[in-house]
Amino acid sequence: AQSVTQLGSHVSVSEGALVLLRCNYSSSVPPYLFWYVQYPNQGLQLLLKYTTGATLVKGINGFEAEFKKSETSFHLTKPSAHMSDAAEYFCAVTLVDTGRRALTFGSGTRLQVQP
Amino acid sequence: GAGVSQSPSNKVTEKGKDVELRCDPISGHTALYWYRQRLGQGLEFLIYFQGNSAPDKSGLPSDRFSAERTGESVSTLTIQRTQQEDSAVYLCASSNSNQPQHFGDGTRLSIL
Repeated sequence: AQSVTQLGSHVSVSEGALVLLRCNYSSSVPPYLFWYVQYPNQGLQLLLKYTTGATLVKGINGFEAEFKKSETSFHLTKPSAHMSDAAEYFCAVTLVDTGRRALTFGSGTRLQVQP
Repeated sequence: GAGVSQSPSNKVTEKGKDVELRCDPISGHTALYWYRQRLGQGLEFLIYFQGNSAPDKSGLPSDRFSAERTGESVSTLTIQRTQQEDSAVYLCASSNSNQPQHFGDGTRLSIL
């Protein structure tokens, strides 16, 4: 079985500051990892994914994440926060490609961006 | 349409009533998923359909919950004899082959 832990249910940063959202996972086999963003009253939008290959993954809106197997982590970063980044962010894991298996989600981190 | 479509977007009903939620996946997507998102929480997996295979119902919380899918098209999630703890946003997602899941905007269900 797999699980996801997101440290910090709320994160607040100033506009222009570094964004760091933490995600740790556990799984018995190599995972596929995802970050999704959810804006109010909307569904989830994929930010980026890691399946195989390069461990530093770049996504939309300037976000990136690095898969660190030794730390079982997949933290999400963005060098400079923008007001429009305020949303809820979910880390998710599956053990095979998501075309065949459900995702296991973390509990989410709400990002606030202060002017 | 271009994305996953869910209806209704909001549903308010009395405790004890049955409700039916609908999901139209992206055309051609063979896999369809239902998730539940309670207030302030992450998503819980409910049920998964893949083509003509038997659905994975391992996430359904009770026998009051059921879902159907016609071929590789529309799916309905039915909750019978609703309880207040069923209040949540119900999200549908679809995917194909090795591609990530695409989510609809959800149905916000409120049980009075």
